[in-house]
Amino acid sequence: EVQLVQSGAEVKKPGESLKISCKGSGYKFHDYWIGWVRQLPGKGLEWMGNIFPGDSTLKYSPSFEGQVTFSADTSTSTAFLHWSSLRSSDSAIYYCARRRGAAADWFDPWGQGTLVTVSS
Amino acid sequence: SDELTQPPSVSVSPGQTANITCSGHALSGKYAYWYQQRSGQAPVLVIYKDKERPSGIPERFSGSSSGTTVTLTISGVQAEDEADYHCQSVDSTNAYYVFGTGTKVTVL
Repeated sequence: EVQLVQSGAEVKKPGESLKISCKGSGYKFHDYWIGWVRQLPGKGLEWMGNIFPGDSTLKYSPSFEGQVTFSADTSTSTAFLHWSSLRSSDSAIYYCARRRGAAADWFDPWGQGTLVTVSS
Repeated sequence: SDELTQPPSVSVSPGQTANITCSGHALSGKYAYWYQQRSGQAPVLVIYKDKERPSGIPERFSGSSSGTTVTLTISGVQAEDEADYHCQSVDSTNAYYVFGTGTKVTVL
C-alpha cells in the first residue's frame, strides 16, 4: 500500500525555525514527485510547490518561494518542509501528497497532515 | 489568471444529485482533478483526468468538462458524501498547480 505519513503537530513561537517531515512507503520514493499543500484554518487548499526526490528538482509556487524550503532524503524515503523563521500567519495544516506520475498532474495519496501553530 | 472558481456551498437531499462546478482559464486544454475532504481529514482523490474514477471510489461520483468549466456530479447523494470538494488543475503557461476555492456539500 502506498502511504505517506507526516510528522506530528508542532507549536512554535514567531521567529523560530521548523522542519516537518513526510515519509513515503510502498513505492519507489525517488521516482515520484512530492507536493506540499497548505490549508489555512477554515480555508481551501493552496499549492506550495513540488520536489522530485530523485534529483531534488524543485518547483515553488510564487506565493511561497523564499518563504519555505523543500528537501528530501532518499535513504529514508522522507521529504521535508522547512521554515527558517516562522510567522503567526504560517499557522495552518500542511499536507504532503504524491504526484501520480509523469504527465499525471494529480495528487494521490495524501499524508494525514501536520498542524503547525505559531503563537507567542 | 490562475484562479479556479467554485460555488461556496451546495445543499442536497439524500438520494438527489449534486453538481459542483469549477471554472477558470487554467482549465483551457488541461485536465481537472477533484478531491473530497471530509471534516478533519486529508483530501482524497475522487476524479482524475476530468472524468476518470480511481479504484474504490463509488460509481455515483462522475466528472465532465466543457471549455473552461468542469463539473463533479454526485448522483444519489448519501450522508457520507457531506464534505468539502476541491478541484485542481495545472496552469499551461507556467506549470503551476492551482486549486479551486472549494465547495462545501451539505446533505440535508
